Formats: sequence, C-alpha cells, structure tokens
Amino acid sequence: DQQVKQNSPSLSVQEGRISILNCDYTNSMFDYFLWYKKYPAEGPTFLISISSIKDKNEDGRFTVFLNKSAKHLSLHIVPSQPGDSAVYFCAVQGAQKLVFGQGTRLTINP
Amino acid sequence: NAGVMQNPRHLVRRRGQEARLRCSPMKGHSHVYWYRQLPEEGLKFMVYLQKENIIDESGMPKERFSAEFPKEGPSILRIQQVVRGDSAAYFCASSPHRGAGVEAFFGQGTRLTVV
Repeated sequence: DQQVKQNSPSLSVQEGRISILNCDYTNSMFDYFLWYKKYPAEGPTFLISISSIKDKNEDGRFTVFLNKSAKHLSLHIVPSQPGDSAVYFCAVQGAQKLVFGQGTRLTINP
Repeated sequence: NAGVMQNPRHLVRRRGQEARLRCSPMKGHSHVYWYRQLPEEGLKFMVYLQKENIIDESGMPKERFSAEFPKEGPSILRIQQVVRGDSAAYFCASSPHRGAGVEAFFGQGTRLTVV
C-alpha cells in the first residue's frame, strides 16, 4: 500500500535548465508536504515544504507546487546546478510520522 | 543534520548475532523516528518514540526488532538474531515536537551488513 509515489526513479537534466520532480499521494488527509535531498552515504536533508493551505512555496532556486485536487506535488529547481545531483524524496506528514516516496535520482549534466 | 548523531556508522554482524544501533537526537528534541532504507528503495518508517514511550511502531517487524528511548541516553534500535535481509541503512530522525509542519532532522545513518 504505497501512500506516496515517485514514479520516475531517475531524471537527467542539463546544467542551467529546469529540473521537475513529481510526487503523487493517495490520502487527502495529509496536511504537510516536504522534499528531502540525499547524497550517497549521508542522511536525508530537509529542502523545502508546503502546507495544504497553500499551492506554491518558493525558496531561492527551489519551488514546490501542490495540486490538492490531483493529489500531486512537484519540485522545480531552476537553474539546475551540478551540486543538485542527488536523490530527492518527497514526504507527506500525517498524524504521527513522515511517509516517504521511493525517491528520484537527479543527475545534472554539465 | 549534523546534530543528530548515529553510531556506529557501519556495523557488520554474522547471522544470528544481535545488532544495536544508537541515536542521539538534536539538543532539545524529544521525538525520535527510525527509518530503514533497503538497497535501491525508499525510506520506510519503522517506529516513532518520545522519551520513555513508543508512540507508533506500525512499521516494525513483529519479531526480533525492538526500540527504546529512555529518559536518559540515546534511542536504541535493537535487532536480535539478524538475518541477511536485515542488511540496510538505518536512519534516525528527531524533531522538537509533534505537529504539522515540523521538519525532522536526520542523522547520517548506520549501515548494517549481515554476513
């Protein structure tokens, strides 16, 4: 029972272009949505979040969009930089815990 | 996330041995979460603890796995009689309180290898 799905296991983007990572969830009761970034051999690092009362949150090069009717959120990174190469996890927050998607490996090509 | 300390970073155990993974949350954080990441998979929730209490253990395997977060000292994830399928990265996260919008901060993980 996968409550959070990231359907693209990998994504390759040219440096300077926009990276778009997608995430779908099943439970409309989730009220907070987060993106984490993970480098190999390190723990996930919080990147950006959005509450269910908003549809967009921006922080520098990172923007998260939330479409509640479609139960879909996305992370936009623009412009993409080589240091952005990592695995990105979306997470949803229910009553007690964060539920993570499977992750998308983003590779930024020079 | 350097504030959440996990040790050891790497742990090798033979089948049938016990594994003990430790997690010291960030200062001021009283909520601890354990996650497991199998190779090429996402982060799977295991257990959520507050000081001296298990709040949600819905992700814990029914046998061999246990967790505690005592009043003093780190949180411990204990795996008894390890099997090869327990090989994974185990991550601990902490937060200052529960509620929507509270980000969890992760440690660097313990990589358990069962041989």
